[in-house]
Amino acid sequence: DVQLVESGGGLVKPGGSLTLSCATSGFIFSFYSMHWVRQAPGKGLEWVSSITGSSKFISYVNSVKGRFTISRDNAEKSLYLQMNSLRAGDTAVYYCVREYFYDAGGPAFWGQGTLVTVSS
Amino acid sequence: QSVLTQPPLVSGTPGQRVTISCSGSSSNIGSQTVNWYQHFPGTAPKLLIYGDDQWHSGVPDRFSGSKSGTSASLAISGLQSEDEADYYCAAWDGSLNGWVFGGGTKLTVL
Repeated sequence: DVQLVESGGGLVKPGGSLTLSCATSGFIFSFYSMHWVRQAPGKGLEWVSSITGSSKFISYVNSVKGRFTISRDNAEKSLYLQMNSLRAGDTAVYYCVREYFYDAGGPAFWGQGTLVTVSS
Repeated sequence: QSVLTQPPLVSGTPGQRVTISCSGSSSNIGSQTVNWYQHFPGTAPKLLIYGDDQWHSGVPDRFSGSKSGTSASLAISGLQSEDEADYYCAAWDGSLNGWVFGGGTKLTVL
């Protein structure tokens, strides 16, 4: 079974930094594109960033460009999201999501999420 | 304001058929395939439909997806109380170079 377990969330002050991690199992991690998707309190789902299996192609939603960095360690089967210059609007549950077919089909298999709260 | 537009609320009675619409543009739905997700608050979202109309493994065929032009729809037939959840559409947007989601539709089973 596909398993995705996020960690690293917590309370951080505006302007601070946080790194989220996603430990994976149950599939050949290096073959699949991965995503981060978030949900702010009372709001809908918002795609944040994607990375291909080889890390060759990376994309971000405009609101986090220049502040967030997605990365992966295929040997460790882990996905990361480095978040800098955090704002109150970044407060959300962050989900680690696996692509459906290698690099096609879109976000498919979701972790349980980790809560990031940005507040003074 | 979401790039994809969904009705915020949809309701139906047990056994009824309901549809949830998702409106986009030529840069997303009009040129890319659509996924549909079911989300019970506090849990991980689940993929229902991918590639416009393909069932994800284990999804009952009471759920079906369709698309025409720049709009897509999720139909749920034989509505059950356990279908009460939030539903989201999503598609890749070639202009934004990223995935875009609808604002979500809360389905209430009366």
